[in-house]
Amino acid sequence: NAGVTQTPKFRILKIGQSMTLQCTQDMNHNYMYWYRQDPGMGLKLIYYSVGAGITDKGEVPNGYNVSRSTTEDFPLRLELAAPSQTSVYFCASSLINSPLHFGNGTRLTVT
Amino acid sequence: TQLLEQSPQFLSIQEGENLTVYCNSSSVFSSLQWYRQEPGEGPVLLVTVVTGGEVKKLKRLTFQFGDARKDSSLHITAAQPGDTGLYLCAGGGDSSYKLIFGSGTRLLVRP
Repeated sequence: NAGVTQTPKFRILKIGQSMTLQCTQDMNHNYMYWYRQDPGMGLKLIYYSVGAGITDKGEVPNGYNVSRSTTEDFPLRLELAAPSQTSVYFCASSLINSPLHFGNGTRLTVT
Repeated sequence: TQLLEQSPQFLSIQEGENLTVYCNSSSVFSSLQWYRQEPGEGPVLLVTVVTGGEVKKLKRLTFQFGDARKDSSLHITAAQPGDTGLYLCAGGGDSSYKLIFGSGTRLLVRP
């Protein structure tokens, strides 16, 4: 019962570096999402996908890119890391009109 | 832009006390979900309410959806230290896979 798995758990980046946050789910869910959670704030939707090959922007997509080549995987790419991207990132998945299943997050610090 | 406001932002109470957390919006939602998040983990769904005026109970937790489907409340009876965590409400519109999250209520129950 792996559910939603995110890697890495922690990462420190220097300004301008790039990285990919990995997310995979084994529940055959159509929908996948990337959220960021800043201290004292709720979750903000970065990107989402309703199925393999389909992605769309959420509330705060600037500075990020995603791809969905398979049902299972939904990586999030940061091309030029900025201090404003310091946050905890959560990947989630769901079936249509069903609750979200979250991973345990990736804590990213950009200095 | 749809917004969900949660109050209070932080609550520290003694074990055995009762409490209520509120989630308010000027927008109508098709459904309202409540999640609990513990440190270092992703949010976990507690309940979904979909009908105006609906009340759901989960052991000592009582959830209510407002008649107009713009607000919700979470009442905890006889709080226990195990209830400690961040409580998040999330509203779903017609496109229910794009949830709007509130900023959360951080609850601390002292033994």
